[in-house]
This record gives sequence, C-alpha cells and structure tokens, in this order.
Amino acid sequence: DTAVSQTPKYLVTQMGNDKSIKCEQNLGHDTMYWYKQDSKKFLKIMFSYNNKELIINETVPNRFSPKSPDKAHLNLHINSLELGDSAVYFCASSQGSSGSYEQYFGPGTRLTVT
Amino acid sequence: AQSVAQPEDQVNVAEGNPLTVKCTYSVSGNPYLFWYVQYPNRGLQFLLKYITGDNLVKGSYGFEAEFNKSQTSFHLKKPSALVSDSALYFCAVRAPNTGFQKLVFGTGTRLLVSP
Repeated sequence: DTAVSQTPKYLVTQMGNDKSIKCEQNLGHDTMYWYKQDSKKFLKIMFSYNNKELIINETVPNRFSPKSPDKAHLNLHINSLELGDSAVYFCASSQGSSGSYEQYFGPGTRLTVT
Repeated sequence: AQSVAQPEDQVNVAEGNPLTVKCTYSVSGNPYLFWYVQYPNRGLQFLLKYITGDNLVKGSYGFEAEFNKSQTSFHLKKPSALVSDSALYFCAVRAPNTGFQKLVFGTGTRLLVSP
C-alpha cells in the first residue's frame, strides 16, 4: 500500500502553461507539505497544511497555489510556468505539525518546463 | 533561524568498513534532529530522529546517530557499510516549541560504498 502518492510522476510542459500535481496520503496524518528539490538536490519547503489550514507559506511566487480539499489530499497548481520551475516536487505528510514528528515523502513529480 | 550544515558533498567507504556522515546544526534551544535517505529517483525516507533522552539514537537499516550538544553535531554512523547503503543522505533540524516551524534540510551528502 502506497503511503504518500503523487500524480503525475513526470510532467513535461511548455512555458506559460498551467499545470497541477496531486498528492494523497493514506496514513491518517493531519499535516501535509510541498517541497521543491532543485537540480543540485537542495530541498526547500514551499507550503504546509494542517487539517486543511495553511500554516507555512514560504517565499514562493503567487503563481503557485496549494489546495487541500481534505486532510488526505494536498494539490499544487502552478500558473504561467517558467523555465526556473523545472525541479522535482515532493509531497510529504506527518502525524501532526509538532516538530517531533517525522515526515513521510511521496515519490516525487519531475517537472520539466521547455 | 535554524540551519544545518553537511560539510562533505560525498563520502566514499569500502563495503564492510564503518561509515560516518557528518552534520552540524544551529538552532535556539534544544533541537529536533532527523536523518533521511534518498535513493535515486525516489522520495526521502526517514531513518532516525533525536527528540530528547539518550544521545545515541538507533534507526532503520542498522544506522545510528549521536547527538552532541557541546559540538552541535548529529553525525550518522553505521558499523559496517553495505553497497546498498549508497544513496544521498540529508540531515534536518527543527526548532522545538515554536509553533508551526519548518523542517530545514542540509545540502545532502552522497554516500558511495564500493564493493
């Protein structure tokens, strides 16, 4: 059983397009996250939701909009894609938002903008 | 603000030898510290964490880490490396009791275990 799943696994699109990445977790966790990993493998948090409420919103262009329809899902919509958006995007979840909980990561979505 | 440093981009070790992957941190107060591993084309997997208590923490796949408050370090260790341990390892830190604080990752250390 997949704990944290993401779709699609690969996404190739042209500049200016709008795309979405979906994430689902079946762990019963309350908190979900979006991370961006760049080509140098540097991992940075973008957003975090706790019980469908946005709790972390890093300095991310407002072209990126997360949406959490329920506790088990956190989607990421990206408008007007740019070359610099090319990266691997990881969804993650944790039991709660307390700092002591470990996070469980999805397999990633490799976004390539041409 | 919290930060974490992994001073080595790559660590090379022969199979069967002990391995150490270094991590130092900077945070106000007592930290929550984590190690994650990333295999090629996969998401990160949790290995172990230090929250409080015993400074030596044991985790998955035979890995352990030692919290050293005076040196602000949390090095990852394994007594006998396997070729299958070759992967990218991330140390991460979170400040405790500060509300919705983010987890800050190091830049990663690539571990290469040769047969």
